Amino acid sequence: NAGVTQTPKFQVLKTGQSMTLQCAQDMNHNSMYWYRQDPGMGLRLIYYSASEGTTDKGEVPNGYNVSRLNKREFSLRLESAAPSQTSVYFCASRGLISYNEQFFGPGTRLTVL
Amino acid sequence: GQQLNQSPQSMFIQEGEDVSMNCTSSSIFNTWLWYKQDPGEGPVLLIALYKAGELTSNGRLTAQFGITRKDSFLNISASIPSDVGIYFCAGQLGSGNTGKLIFGQGTTLQVKP
Repeated sequence: NAGVTQTPKFQVLKTGQSMTLQCAQDMNHNSMYWYRQDPGMGLRLIYYSASEGTTDKGEVPNGYNVSRLNKREFSLRLESAAPSQTSVYFCASRGLISYNEQFFGPGTRLTVL
Repeated sequence: GQQLNQSPQSMFIQEGEDVSMNCTSSSIFNTWLWYKQDPGEGPVLLIALYKAGELTSNGRLTAQFGITRKDSFLNISASIPSDVGIYFCAGQLGSGNTGKLIFGQGTTLQVKP
């Protein structure tokens, strides 16, 4: 039982390049979330998927798109990366019986030059 | 957007000392969660609180859900070097099933052996 996994662990992009961050969970959780973490700002919600087939914007969605591919997988896409998107990205999931407890992946450290 | 004010921002203490940190908001929350993040890792859930006034312990950690539902504190007793990390509070507004959380800015804890 790996929990929440994220790939890649590290990525360096040039401004304007695109990439997709992958997230998968093996806990049969219904809800999945994408956050970004910047120094001194805690974690801010980018997008979330309350259940398979639905996605909604969070606090900071601009410049990102998401896909809930199936119940296990939730990907985050940067279509045209900007230096302001340099951050650490975390994926999390939550099950119906775990109330509001979210379980986090190890993170993807992204640098945009 | 909604905000959680977490304090202090950082603490540098001697091994064996007790630690206290808190989160406050102008909004009412129905769940409070406390997470710890080790360097280079994702946040890990420490304690979850679901009722106003609830006091919950997990080993040397104790957390309380404020009676007004607008605040929570976390205490760590007899700190040890492995307590080093960033501690986040998180709260959920309302009773919706999205599971969306709002995070505090984090308290960075350093423990001197």
